Amino acid sequence: KNQVEQSPQSLIILEGKNCTLQCNYTVSPFSNLRWYKQDTGRGPVSLTIMTFSENTKSNGRYTATLDADTKQSSLHITASQLSDSASYICVVSPNNNDMRFGAGTRLTVKP
Amino acid sequence: NAGVTQTPKFQVLKTGQSMTLQCAQDMNHEYMSWYRQDPGMGLRLIHYSVGAGITDQGEVPNGYNVSRSTTEDFPLRLLSAAPSQTSVYFCASRLDPYGNQPQHFGDGTRLSIL
Repeated sequence: KNQVEQSPQSLIILEGKNCTLQCNYTVSPFSNLRWYKQDTGRGPVSLTIMTFSENTKSNGRYTATLDADTKQSSLHITASQLSDSASYICVVSPNNNDMRFGAGTRLTVKP
Repeated sequence: NAGVTQTPKFQVLKTGQSMTLQCAQDMNHEYMSWYRQDPGMGLRLIHYSVGAGITDQGEVPNGYNVSRSTTEDFPLRLLSAAPSQTSVYFCASRLDPYGNQPQHFGDGTRLSIL
């Protein structure tokens, strides 16, 4: 069983709407949690990095939250744009040389 | 600033052939790593390096070799290609092996083994 589970697997929203992607993990110990955006045919691009003591981190219209007690994180996208169509990947590290990747949520933004 | 550059972008091999996937970064990053990405699965770590001359195995190292003779380059070698190695391969780098900096990825090599 994957130690990083993301939901939903895929999501379709209309341009301008908000959405929230979920990440639940069982990785232990915990060093940091990262969210990446991966466009089709490209490598992942870092959006946010949170350590144990941080419970929210923003990057423009992207806001990530972390509840280390329940081992849950979410990525909230505000006022979606067509360019937000991509896969969003949650990554949890037990230490700095080990990264456990979720399978990603495929987001499609339609006009 | 080119970032992380991977070559080739696409490759088709026959079972049993060998080849080297190239990865270069121009950011003077100490940490470099190789991942494979398969449909429906998260990226999985193949090998990593915390600096020139130092490499270590990740989660799925079998069938792959790496070396790190310079800070800039981290090639991945397939010794005898098998159909199970059909995948998209990503190289990544990070400034400090032990810090929380962002990891930069290349755009991948799409490899098919027939």
